[in-house]
Amino acid sequence: NAGVTQTPKFQVLKTGQSMTLQCAQDMNHEYMSWYRQDPGMGLRLIHYSVGAGITDQGEVPNGYNVSRSTTEDFPLRLLSAAPSQTSVYFCASTRGGGDEQYFGPGTRLTVT
Amino acid sequence: GNSVTQMEGPVTLSEEAFLTINCTYTATGYPSLFWYVQYPGEGLQLLLKATKADDKGSNKGFEATYRKETTSFHLEKGSVQVSDSAVYFCALSTNTGTASKLTFGTGTRLQVTL
Repeated sequence: NAGVTQTPKFQVLKTGQSMTLQCAQDMNHEYMSWYRQDPGMGLRLIHYSVGAGITDQGEVPNGYNVSRSTTEDFPLRLLSAAPSQTSVYFCASTRGGGDEQYFGPGTRLTVT
Repeated sequence: GNSVTQMEGPVTLSEEAFLTINCTYTATGYPSLFWYVQYPGEGLQLLLKATKADDKGSNKGFEATYRKETTSFHLEKGSVQVSDSAVYFCALSTNTGTASKLTFGTGTRLQVTL
């Protein structure tokens, strides 16, 4: 049982480049989320999904796109990377109903 | 809106010392409360949780009690170990409709020394 997996673990981008952070879970969870972790700010919700085909914005959605074509996968797209998007990104999934969220190992992104 | 406030770190303790990390929250409705732990270089793991007032969550010697009257969920451990060195996050979840989203505190770094 792999849980929540994320790729890549590390990435360096130049300003203006695009990329997709991959996230997959094998627990058949309906709810999936993306968070970013910045020093002194905890984790902040970027986007979330309550099921295949349904996504919504979180606290800090600007500059990011998501889609959810299957229950298992929830990729996060940066269309035009900016230095302000330098952060550690975590994907999480949950059954919902206030249940615990399961986190992936994270992707450390640096934008120069 | 929802918010979580936890004490700033770092907290530095000697092994076997008593630990308290304070956490207070503001939320609409009746949130579930969580403590997550992040070890160096890793993702977050659930440490313990409580889903209603007066519930006590416990795991690995850590405890926290859901206090609705003081809107608090303080984390305690009677005797810390070097292996407890990590960043601890207090969080709440409100199941609004079909969504289930976490609001985190800023995290408290704990360093335990011999």
